[in-house]
Amino acid sequence: DAGVIQSPRHEVTEMGQEVTLRCKPISGHNSLFWYRQTMMRGLELLIYFNNNVPIDDSGMPEDRFSAKMPNASFSTLKIQPSEPRDSAVYFCASSQQGGRPGNTIYFGEGSWLTVV
Amino acid sequence: AQSVSQHNHHVILSEAASLELGCNYSYGGTVNLFWYVQYPGQHLQLLLKYFSGDPLVKGIKGFEAEFIKSKFSFNLRKPSVQWSDTAEYFCAVNANNYGQNFVFGPGTRLSVLP
Repeated sequence: DAGVIQSPRHEVTEMGQEVTLRCKPISGHNSLFWYRQTMMRGLELLIYFNNNVPIDDSGMPEDRFSAKMPNASFSTLKIQPSEPRDSAVYFCASSQQGGRPGNTIYFGEGSWLTVV
Repeated sequence: AQSVSQHNHHVILSEAASLELGCNYSYGGTVNLFWYVQYPGQHLQLLLKYFSGDPLVKGIKGFEAEFIKSKFSFNLRKPSVQWSDTAEYFCAVNANNYGQNFVFGPGTRLSVLP
């Protein structure tokens, strides 16, 4: 089975440029999460969706960040304009939720972003 | 709000030493508990999970964890670590009735010396 698929795996961009990260969750999963990981701040939840609807975006750093989930199989995280402090690994994760116990979250391999 | 704490930021052990990593959570209801491992340069991978039943859970690579409800704890153990266990370990909680969010602890970095 395909896991969570993220692209690009690595991106280097100049400050001020727009960055779009993409994620395809595991088929059948209805919850999708975006995390950011840095040495200084560790693993931070940015936003999560349930059934394509954003449930909690309180972790989104500022208005430069936006996330969308137009359908059950695709999500984007956009940074516009990007800044050097946005350099991090961005992980997408998905799970099958719905009130049942035993749901597990699965992570993609991450998008390694460097803003210079 | 849910929160997860991990007792140690960085643990250094020699090969064959025993390991115990602490994890405590704050939530009084029914919870699902997880340990994830992140090897250097890789993504988080599930190590083991507890949903219900036997509070002693066995995972991959010889790891196990014990759920102690009265202590709100879910400590990770391994009787004899290997150099290949060098990684960062994250405890996570998902409360059945607290939305669908997973709350992760800050992580514990384990360094195993050969």
